[in-house]
Amino acid sequence: GNSVTQMEGPVTLSEEAFLTINCTYTATGYPSLFWYVQYPGEGLQLLLKATKADDKGSNKGFEATYRKETTSFHLEKGSVQVSDSAVYFCALSDQWSGGYQKVTFGTGTKLQVIP
Amino acid sequence: DVKVTQSSRYLVKRTGEKVFLECVQDMDHENMFWYRQDPGLGLRLIYFSYDVKMKEKGDIPEGYSVSREKKERFSLILESASTNQTSMYLCASSLEAIHQPQHFGDGTRLSIL
Repeated sequence: GNSVTQMEGPVTLSEEAFLTINCTYTATGYPSLFWYVQYPGEGLQLLLKATKADDKGSNKGFEATYRKETTSFHLEKGSVQVSDSAVYFCALSDQWSGGYQKVTFGTGTKLQVIP
Repeated sequence: DVKVTQSSRYLVKRTGEKVFLECVQDMDHENMFWYRQDPGLGLRLIYFSYDVKMKEKGDIPEGYSVSREKKERFSLILESASTNQTSMYLCASSLEAIHQPQHFGDGTRLSIL
């Protein structure tokens, strides 16, 4: 079956540091890939997505490139802020045998940014 | 913006009770999902629904059931609550296509005593 592996956290960075959160996946089909962010006390919200190989998703200074050859979708940001402190989830969306959308999430990586 | 509303942010129930968690979305999405979120385990799919009155089991359906009588509403039912069902429950909705993202509610933190 499909799976998503994220680097374990927590990740602690100083403000303005460079961020990388690694994500690799296994899938039998041609999935779409997503990064979601969860702020304290809230549900998940979409950060960015990529729907095919070599696509780059970007939003709010975050970027991730869909690398089919390495089955990876690493999240990067050039300069983090305290307000980026949250839990980040990598996810893939594929078709089930019944033809329906099935989403597989990683376990999440907690990011803490200190001033 | 899509709005997914879960009826309770916090809920405390007793072992053996029947518990209802309600979720409503306002964007006419075909798909609706129920997940539970536990530390170190990420999100695990309990049930999903791709149309009114249609449902499919997810990865951990045991001890749960669901109801979707109207397109906008998807209910999760704990038939006889147990302490191992203490968790954060998240509802989500999406359009029917694999490249469509899911939209989440703020979650219900359920404690079973």
